[in-house]
Amino acid sequence: DQQVKQNSPSLSVQEGRISILNCDYTNSMFDYFLWYKKYPAEGPTFLISISSIKDKNEDGRFTVFLNKSAKHLSLHIVPSQPGDSAVYFCAASAKTGNQFYFGTGTSLTVIP
Amino acid sequence: NAGVMQNPRHLVRRRGQEARLRCSPMKGHSHVYWYRQLPEEGLKFMVYLQKENIIDESGMPKERFSAEFPKEGPSILRIQQVVRGDSAAYFCASSPGSVNSNQPQHFGDGTRLSIL
Repeated sequence: DQQVKQNSPSLSVQEGRISILNCDYTNSMFDYFLWYKKYPAEGPTFLISISSIKDKNEDGRFTVFLNKSAKHLSLHIVPSQPGDSAVYFCAASAKTGNQFYFGTGTSLTVIP
Repeated sequence: NAGVMQNPRHLVRRRGQEARLRCSPMKGHSHVYWYRQLPEEGLKFMVYLQKENIIDESGMPKERFSAEFPKEGPSILRIQQVVRGDSAAYFCASSPGSVNSNQPQHFGDGTRLSIL
């Protein structure tokens, strides 16, 4: 039962443009959401998070948007850089739970 | 290096042998999580431990797999009598607080287990 879904396995964007990565979830109890970036042969690196009391959180070039009614979150990267090319995972957790649930990842390629 | 340390980075075992994967959490972190990633798949939760206690092992197979996080030393994920299907990347993550503290987990670089 995949409670966190990333329906786009891959995405290609020109350098300098905006990258938008999407994530949907099914569990209405989720109240904390995160994005991780992963390079090959390395572990995921924490990028940015958002609590369900907010609908937007920004950190430099990265902004996460949360739409609770649609059970949808997105990560915007602007401007995109070649070094952003990696696999991006979204994750979610609930205060009542003991684990984070991860999506299957979206592979972003930023074309120079 | 104050990050999550996993060793070995690569481990090769023959079918039927035992595999031991070690994880030292970040300094100050007492919560450890193990995940498995199969090729072309996402991260699957296996087990969540706090010092000397297993909090949630709902993602771990009931047989052949065990985990511990002793008072002293690293957390250990142990796989007995390995089979080809155990080949995967195993990641460990740690956090200073529990899942419901709204703090991110930080990951190690994983152990790539290959079963011959």
